[in-house]
Amino acid sequence: QLHQSGPGLVQPSQTLSLTCVISGDSVSSDTAGWTWIRQSPSRGLEWLARSYRRSKWWHDYGASVKSRATISPDTSKNQFSLHLKSVTPEDTAVYYCARDRPTGDYLMIDFWGQGTLVTVSS
Amino acid sequence: SSELTQDPAVSVALGQTVRITCQGNSLRSYYASWYQQKPGQAPVLVLYGQNNRPSGIPDRFSGSSSGNTASLTITGAQAEDEADYYCNSRDSSGDHYVFGTGTKVTAL
Repeated sequence: QLHQSGPGLVQPSQTLSLTCVISGDSVSSDTAGWTWIRQSPSRGLEWLARSYRRSKWWHDYGASVKSRATISPDTSKNQFSLHLKSVTPEDTAVYYCARDRPTGDYLMIDFWGQGTLVTVSS
Repeated sequence: SSELTQDPAVSVALGQTVRITCQGNSLRSYYASWYQQKPGQAPVLVLYGQNNRPSGIPDRFSGSSSGNTASLTITGAQAEDEADYYCNSRDSSGDHYVFGTGTKVTAL
């Protein structure tokens, strides 16, 4: 299971921070990837970031957020976080964390968090 | 805008067949996965790779790929198949994952 937490309202120019707590698996698993995805009416489904461990940690980012996003696994708490800085109203969306299985070509997501609606507004 | 393009909406009579397509240059090199999303819920994986279904997904869902197009076919559509469907694969650079624009399937 994946349980998300984080604020529902973020002010423009601030940093959006979300956490996803993992139960039933390990963030250090070498057979899983840990992903953040968001969804809004204007942008549809959008892959944001992915973290996985294969001998060492790897982090990948979507083109639209690469300069602003950081994904951070925390092995001590078995969770991973997303930090998105300098947010604008365009970042308003439902944010999901997810577990995926390695395939290379596509995301094979078998578990999702419950989703968090984040609104960027003053 | 997404590099994977889908028709915005299609309709299907109950019991009939509907094909949902996903077009993009990257699909010449990469396979796709498909997700079903119902209102207020997270997406659910229904198909992946060449033509693979996760456990619990009915065999009326099938997939194919040719050239720059990946397809999801529902054979014998049921009322519960009414949902939004999204494809997913790599972008043309191969560095990033992208989702398709989504197709709303309406069961008549």
